[in-house]
Amino acid sequence: GENVEQHPSTLSVQEGDSAVIKCTYSDSASNYFPWYKQELGKRPQLIIDIRSNVGEKKDQRIAVTLNKTAKHFSLHITETQPEDSAVYFCAASSNDYKLSFGAGTTVTVRA
Amino acid sequence: NAGVTQTPKFQVLKTGQSMTLQCAQDMNHEYMSWYRQDPGMGLRLIHYSVGAGITDQGEVPNGYNVSRSTTEDFPLRLLSAAPSQTSVYFCASSPSGPLETQYFGPGTRLLVL
Repeated sequence: GENVEQHPSTLSVQEGDSAVIKCTYSDSASNYFPWYKQELGKRPQLIIDIRSNVGEKKDQRIAVTLNKTAKHFSLHITETQPEDSAVYFCAASSNDYKLSFGAGTTVTVRA
Repeated sequence: NAGVTQTPKFQVLKTGQSMTLQCAQDMNHEYMSWYRQDPGMGLRLIHYSVGAGITDQGEVPNGYNVSRSTTEDFPLRLLSAAPSQTSVYFCASSPSGPLETQYFGPGTRLLVL
């Protein structure tokens, strides 16, 4: 099955700086890569996703890049704000009806 | 729409007890899944269903059973609870599969003593 590794496990950034989270996956057939944000005590919610036919996707301060050859993808958050503090999960799926998640990154934005 | 709902919010069990975690969605989604969330391990897939009457195993199915008699409901049964099943359980749904937005329920926190 798919194995998704996520780094770092914790990330502390100064407000206004950028944050980058990296994930690697094992199954070359994977073609869908979503990112979920989970605030403390809340449910995970999709913030952005990318498919294998696209190399980069942006949504305001959030961007995701995908390198299929190297089997890795990254989440970039620019101009971080206190409300960006949360746990972020990457995931991958090859449409075998399973979605595999990384272990999560706890992001803390320091004021 | 209520979206995805889960009951109970919190449950304490003794080792060996059985219980059912309830999950329901009112969005007419075909795909539903159960995850457990443990510190440092992310979300791990327990079981999933692609439609009423169809279920299959995920990454960590041992000790859990599921059924899908209706499109709306996808209960998760713990047959004989063990301390290793202490976790937060999330149910999720999507229109047709994992290649689209998953809508998560609020979670059930389970403590097995």
